[in-house]
Amino acid sequence: DQQVKQNSPSLSVQEGRISILNCDYTNSMFDYFLWYKKYPAEGPTFLISISSIKDKNEDGRFTVFLNKSAKHLSLHIVPSQPGDSAVYFCAGAGTSYGKLTFGQGTILTVHP
Amino acid sequence: EPEVTQTPSHQVTQMGQEVILRCVPISNHLYFYWYRQILGQKVEFLVSFYNNEISEKSEIFDDQFSVERPDGSNFTLKIRSTKLEDSAMYFCASGRTALNYGYTFGSGTRLTVV
Repeated sequence: DQQVKQNSPSLSVQEGRISILNCDYTNSMFDYFLWYKKYPAEGPTFLISISSIKDKNEDGRFTVFLNKSAKHLSLHIVPSQPGDSAVYFCAGAGTSYGKLTFGQGTILTVHP
Repeated sequence: EPEVTQTPSHQVTQMGQEVILRCVPISNHLYFYWYRQILGQKVEFLVSFYNNEISEKSEIFDDQFSVERPDGSNFTLKIRSTKLEDSAMYFCASGRTALNYGYTFGSGTRLTVV
């Protein structure tokens, strides 16, 4: 099941710079996309979502961009902080009762 | 901030034994879910539950699995006869509405089948 793919297993960024995490999807039936952050030994924590009818959603340091024609979304974190170091998952949701299809995750490391 | 609570945090069981994983969702939430993550793999959907019945289940969720909301506060996942390949982190999640996709996950139960 490769409906959601995060092709970069890891990303390393300097504190204060921008982190850009990417995600591709194949399922045209997704009508919502979400980003979750996960620390070791904890469950995923919701960060931000975007409806398929929008192309951008912003919440503080986090912005998600959606390019429907390319079936691509990205999460921008500006400025990056060491506390942002975690695994980031993108997920797609269709029209059912909130079932999420997750990507494999990208490990973000923000260096001081 | 309200939390989804899962117990136990770690469960070791013999192959073929039954296990029950327990979850206390956030009290005003209406939608409940189980996901799992096998080590090194994606987080996978198992089942969603609404209005006291299963609303959707994945291919993984076969006859060995069942869910229950026995008392209006707890939400349980039962695996009747565990297999080695059931070893994984199991996450419970809850959400207020189906359209509020940012639902809340618990910290997970690590199930080890030996």
